Amino acid sequence: QKEVEQDPGPLSVPEGAIVSLNCTYSNSAFQYFMWYRQYSRKGPELLMYTYSSGNKEDGRFTAQVDKSSKYISLFIRDSQPSDSATYLCAMSAVTGNQFYFGTGTSLTVIP
Amino acid sequence: EAGVVQSPRYKIIEKKQPVAFWCNPISGHNTLYWYLQNLGQGPELLIRYENEEAVDDSQLPKDRFSAERLKGVDSTLKIQPAELGDSAVYLCASSLGGRNTIYFGEGSWLTVV
Repeated sequence: QKEVEQDPGPLSVPEGAIVSLNCTYSNSAFQYFMWYRQYSRKGPELLMYTYSSGNKEDGRFTAQVDKSSKYISLFIRDSQPSDSATYLCAMSAVTGNQFYFGTGTSLTVIP
Repeated sequence: EAGVVQSPRYKIIEKKQPVAFWCNPISGHNTLYWYLQNLGQGPELLIRYENEEAVDDSQLPKDRFSAERLKGVDSTLKIQPAELGDSAVYLCASSLGGRNTIYFGEGSWLTVV
């Protein structure tokens, strides 16, 4: 079993839709949770960063962590064609400087 | 502040040839990572440096891959000889010790023909 599981998609939505991207994990030591956006032929760009459980909002993006269920989500409101990219979840424990990545979900927002 | 810089961005080589990738991390970041990313997959760690020391190289195929980080700043990843299966993106990332997030460069896209 992989430490982090992420549905690869692809996911295709119309412009303006609410998008929900999800990851599950197995290691209860994970405390830091990240979402990266990766455009085609580019490196991953840090989008959201949260610590422990709860929600964090940044503009149209909301990151949600449910540690009891070992489940994290990224919501995109009013999705735009420019949101078309691959979204990677990542997580780490308190110590160790080690990061564990999902396989990425490919998202296309259709105008 | 400059981000993680990688070069070359793209490289096409014939199999059995050597190739090298260079990375300059974010200024002050003491931890440097090299990741391999295959199409449709997440990044997989090849090697992690804490300053000059390689603290995790368990996934680095040491028969053909080597890496160095001189003076604890820039790093070079080398493949010799390259094989067709090495075609992938090689991502460099860095982090500041104690801060649990990492920042990636744009990647070096390798095609072995």
